[in-house]
Amino acid sequence: DTGVSQDPRHKITKRGQNVTFRCDPISEHNRLYWYRQTLGQGPEFLTYFQNEAQLEKSRLLSDRFSAERPKGSFSTLEIQRTEQGDSAMYLCASSLAGVGAGYTFGSGTRLTVV
Amino acid sequence: GQQVMQIPQYQHVQEGEDFTTYCNSSTTLSNIQWYKQRPGGHPVFLIQLVKSGEVKKQKRLTFQFGEAKKNSSLHITATQTTDVGTYFCGYGGSQGNLIFGKGTKLSVKP
Repeated sequence: DTGVSQDPRHKITKRGQNVTFRCDPISEHNRLYWYRQTLGQGPEFLTYFQNEAQLEKSRLLSDRFSAERPKGSFSTLEIQRTEQGDSAMYLCASSLAGVGAGYTFGSGTRLTVV
Repeated sequence: GQQVMQIPQYQHVQEGEDFTTYCNSSTTLSNIQWYKQRPGGHPVFLIQLVKSGEVKKQKRLTFQFGEAKKNSSLHITATQTTDVGTYFCGYGGSQGNLIFGKGTKLSVKP
């Protein structure tokens, strides 16, 4: 297993366009998380899945954001009608369920909205 | 709601000096994790602390969880240039997710 993979690594899009990111977690991990990180800040929680069920979604998350994990394996994060404020690094992480299981992060997808 | 304050925000040290970052909460934490993010990289899991007063060591790194489980610290002895990066604490949210502090950015002058 090569760890958590994210695709693409970089995405530049025009304001108003839709974008979709993919995350492939560590296969043994049943939890998958999406975070967003801007410069100088800690990762900000967006949403997470246990298997295929989306268990929690941040109240800060706009309705333009949607995530899926259809078969409990890979996940996609879609942002509709992108805005300049969406520019950030989008990090995916996976872990085993259980109190305090450490997260393994992917290298992230850097989104730039122009 | 529950939140943590991480201090300092930045720390500049001379190589060989010690470094400490603190994570302080206004409420009791069930557990705390520490991560390191190198410049241009992604967060990497270092350790998890669960028990009151717990102390764990990893080579030059010492992690502590306070007796009241409201604060935690990461101490690096004799810093090296490879220690450069941002250190984040993260605590368990009410729904099973991890909530991160803003981090302490460490720079080391050789």
